[in-house]
Amino acid sequence: DTEVTQTPKHLVMGMTNKKSLKCEQHMGHRAMYWYKQKAKKPPELMFVYSYEKLSINESVPSRFSPECPNSSLLNLHLHALQPEDSALYLCASSQDGLGSQPQHFGDGTRLSIL
Amino acid sequence: GEDVEQSLFLSVREGDSSVINCTYTDSSSTYLYWYKQEPGAGLQLLTYIFSNMDMKQDQRLTVLLNKKDKHLSLRIADTQTGDSAIYFCAERNQGNTDKLIFGTGTRLQVFP
Repeated sequence: DTEVTQTPKHLVMGMTNKKSLKCEQHMGHRAMYWYKQKAKKPPELMFVYSYEKLSINESVPSRFSPECPNSSLLNLHLHALQPEDSALYLCASSQDGLGSQPQHFGDGTRLSIL
Repeated sequence: GEDVEQSLFLSVREGDSSVINCTYTDSSSTYLYWYKQEPGAGLQLLTYIFSNMDMKQDQRLTVLLNKKDKHLSLRIADTQTGDSAIYFCAERNQGNTDKLIFGTGTRLQVFP
């Protein structure tokens, strides 16, 4: 069982919808991450929050909007997505965001854009 | 460059050892990781090694690191059907303090 919890597990939405993905961890970690994984490909980093501040944005389109309300929660707000955005979205956390501790992943949200 | 390469597929008989290989190009990598991904699931951290080590053993798992050749391997002893999954190596380098670069992934299939 993973200690990083993601909801929902599956999401189907139209291109005009607005939805949010949620991620929660209670390990006391201070860094949280969003990754995108297409089928048969490795995960690709999207965003990093360290101590609730956005520290890395990998040039992600603005239709993806991250939010870190507190050190345990990470959201990804979705608006006007495209069919090519269909993928598995993975959340991860690590102890301090300095890279000396490994990242722990949730089971992901499988997103389908109609 | 930030290329991390793995062979795509490995098939082994149950009870045999599996060796999954990974090559990377960034000599400044400080930590190297192995993750397992089962169908429909996220990534499970298996083990990791710091770049000043050349070997790490954890139960059935043995990680070997050859820094000169930039080669990392994961050996699974007594491979079981439950080990069937995709295995990703990943590197973290000094230039990007919190960014993991994942390998292309190796699909391990274990047959009875």
